[in-house]
Amino acid sequence: NAGVMQNPRHLVRRRGQEARLRCSPMKGHSHVYWYRQLPEEGLKFMVYLQKENIIDESGMPKERFSAEFPKEGPSILRIQQVVRGDSAAYFCASSPRGLSSNSGANVLTFGAGSRLTVL
Amino acid sequence: TQLLEQSPQFLSIQEGENLTVYCNSSSVFSSLQWYRQEPGEGPVLLVTVVTGGEVKKLKRLTFQFGDARKDSSLHITAAQPGDTGLYLCAGHGGSNYKLTFGKGTLLTVNP
Repeated sequence: NAGVMQNPRHLVRRRGQEARLRCSPMKGHSHVYWYRQLPEEGLKFMVYLQKENIIDESGMPKERFSAEFPKEGPSILRIQQVVRGDSAAYFCASSPRGLSSNSGANVLTFGAGSRLTVL
Repeated sequence: TQLLEQSPQFLSIQEGENLTVYCNSSSVFSSLQWYRQEPGEGPVLLVTVVTGGEVKKLKRLTFQFGDARKDSSLHITAAQPGDTGLYLCAGHGGSNYKLTFGKGTLLTVNP
């Protein structure tokens, strides 16, 4: 039973290019979360999606960033016109149910991350 | 905004020593999770604590959730080099979908 699969694991882009990061959740998981981790920083929530719906994108920068989780295929985090400050590790996590007040029973499983370097 | 402060930020010890790392907040969390992250990998869940005052043991690791559900600690007995990693705590507020993460404690256990 494969875990959360992220690709590419490493991505190098020049300023102004586009970056596309893909995430396939665990089998049976329909909830996907994207987090960003900067050096010596904690993981910061970006966006929460269910199939075909964005539930909470309050952690996403208003410009250049977008996310989707189509009915078929992986979730995609897209960064347009990348800048050096976008260099970070981007982690995807999935869960079988959304986090709720019974979160003791809901577990996030993280992927190994995609490391974006902007030159 | 809910914040989690972890201390110490860095910890380097010798194999066989005991250690405690802390996770503190001024906010109440409905649950708190501890993760371990190794270089180049994603965080891996160690434990979830839900009830104030709860203590959970995982082999040589002991996790405690404060009575007021604002803080937590992780104690490792007889640390081993394999315990080396970044230990992250993450709190869930209960009313939204986000986990709030601390910045982590980077533990190095030297043989």
